[in-house]
Amino acid sequence: GAGVSQSPRYKVAKRGQDVALRCDPISGHVSLFWYQQALGQGPEFLTYFQNEAQLDKSGLPSDRFFAERPEGSVSTLKIQRTQQEDSAVYLCASSSPGVPATDTQYFGPGTRLTVL
Amino acid sequence: AQRVTQPEKLLSVFKGAPVELKCNYSYSGSPELFWYVQYSRQRLQLLLRHISRESIKGFTADLNKGETSFHLKKPFAQEEDSAMYYCALGLTGNQFYFGTGTSLTVIP
Repeated sequence: GAGVSQSPRYKVAKRGQDVALRCDPISGHVSLFWYQQALGQGPEFLTYFQNEAQLDKSGLPSDRFFAERPEGSVSTLKIQRTQQEDSAVYLCASSSPGVPATDTQYFGPGTRLTVL
Repeated sequence: AQRVTQPEKLLSVFKGAPVELKCNYSYSGSPELFWYVQYSRQRLQLLLRHISRESIKGFTADLNKGETSFHLKKPFAQEEDSAMYYCALGLTGNQFYFGTGTSLTVIP
């Protein structure tokens, strides 16, 4: 079966533009995570969904970041009024039902966002 | 505060030599610890997790609660082990913390 997919793979935005990043998790996976990975760093947790419920958004760096998963499947991470410091790879991961902290997460290829 | 520390950004070993990638964590509860690996041009994937207590591709990792460490070891490194390795900590609930990663190069 298909793994986690993300689109677009690359996005260049001018400072101040809004962007939307899409994640298609593995079918049937209840849990969905978003991470931000800056150059030379490890992935940093942004937010977590269980089905359509956003149970944890403590990692979102500002109120310009917004994530949704309205039908419990596809998720979108939106960044409003992008800033240069938002430039990073945005990773999505999904995992099957279970305790999120102990389940294997399956990662997508990431979206590389560059803000000029 | 950094939850997961990987002190070595770069590590080079010769083929056939033992390798150890260090990971220390900061958490007072019962941790769930993982090693993820990213090979060149591939996505991040799970290598092993401590609750499974298994060996994957010859790698093992033992959780040492006294030293709060979860070092990754392999007795004989292979060229195909060259990759980026991330230690990760899963907390009760949903949060997941990754270290900054160690780039392993196995020299032929």
